[in-house]
This record gives sequence, structure tokens and C-alpha cells, in this order.
Amino acid sequence: GAVVSQHPSWVICKSGTSVKIECRSLDFQATTMFWYRQFPKQSLMLMATSNEGSKATYEQGVEKDKFLINHASLTLSTLTVTSAHPEDSSFYICRGLAGETGETQYFGPGTRLLVL
Amino acid sequence: AQTVTQSQPEMSVQEAETVTLSCTYDTSENNYYLFWYKQPPSRQMILVIRQEAYKQQNATENRFSVNFQKAAKSFSLKISDSQLGDTAMYFCAFMKWGSQGNLIFGKGTKLSVKP
Repeated sequence: GAVVSQHPSWVICKSGTSVKIECRSLDFQATTMFWYRQFPKQSLMLMATSNEGSKATYEQGVEKDKFLINHASLTLSTLTVTSAHPEDSSFYICRGLAGETGETQYFGPGTRLLVL
Repeated sequence: AQTVTQSQPEMSVQEAETVTLSCTYDTSENNYYLFWYKQPPSRQMILVIRQEAYKQQNATENRFSVNFQKAAKSFSLKISDSQLGDTAMYFCAFMKWGSQGNLIFGKGTKLSVKP
């Protein structure tokens, strides 16, 4: 079946540095990519939606200058956490979607970010 | 706006028994999709089952089946012959047709299968 990969799976960084997370759809073309963050024992919270070649649409309360999303191709989307702070520590998950019926959609395995 | 409610924060079941997780949703839409996702301790989101709202027949996937009641806006998940590997968080999700694929999640139910 189709797979979405994320890299890195785990990252520790110092406060003030930037971290880039890559999300790749390996055998399908993801026309839309979704980025979520998940705190322990909570549900997924949508951060932003991006279409290939277009600017991302951010959810209310999500700082677009802090969480930079790029969707340059149908198989790659990146999330960059700029000037990370301890409160940005979380689990970040991407989801790739082809079409609008939900038949072709897969989640990445997630990235654990710890900011010291 | 659509909402999804999972009223059972935690549930437990004995191995080999059957358990039902509840989910209700609120929408004024007629065309939509409903999903159950499983998130084991690895935190990988795994699709369990998908239901199109226009289909009256309940979806099934091996030991997993749903009871979809469109008028009542209810979408429960039944797990038969529970296995230890079923231990996970289960999320119910709603997707409006034509919404660019945005999923609305419930808060989740933590299921523990006991030996």
C-alpha cells in the first residue's frame, strides 16, 4: 500500500534554532498535504493545509511565520519550525491526500520534537 | 461547523471478547465520509474503516465493523474477537465531501485489551 514517510522521526534541538521536518508520499501523488500537531493524550490538531505549488492555509492561532510550510512537489512537503522554543515540543504528523474521497490518504509516522 | 464526539475517554475489554466504541457527529451536510483511525503506542495513525454516507450498508473490515445510523448521526465501531494488538487510541473522524479532504477528529477513546 501507499506510504508516507517523515524525516526525522525524532529530533532534539536547542531553543532558538530552526528544525525542518520532511514529509514524502512514496508511491502516490499527494495533491494536498496536512500538518498536525498532537500533545500527549490528546487528539490531532490541524495546523495547516497545503496544495502543491500554492501557499499553505493556516488554522486560526497558528503562526505562519513560525511554522513555515512548503509543498513544492506532489511528493514532498516540509514543515520548518523557526526559532523553536520549549512550548513547540510536540508530536508533528503529516497526512497526504490524493483526490477528495478519502480513498487515497495516508498519515506519516510522525516526528517527535523536543526543544531544550 | 461539524463536530465529532467520542463520549468514552477510556474502555477496556478482555481478550477474545467484543467491544463497541461510540461516536456521534453533528453536520448539516448530506455527502460526507466517516472514518475510524487507530493510533497504537507507536503513534502511527492507521485507517481501520471508512464509510461513505450515501451507502446504507455498514462497512466491515475483518474483525472491525461499524453501525452507521445516518439519521441519528451515529457511527460506532465494533471490534470482535479482541486481540492484544488492538490496544490503542481510536479516533473517529468526519470528512465533508468537497472539503479538500479536511478531517474533523473526535477526542479519542483509549482502548485496553486485557489478557
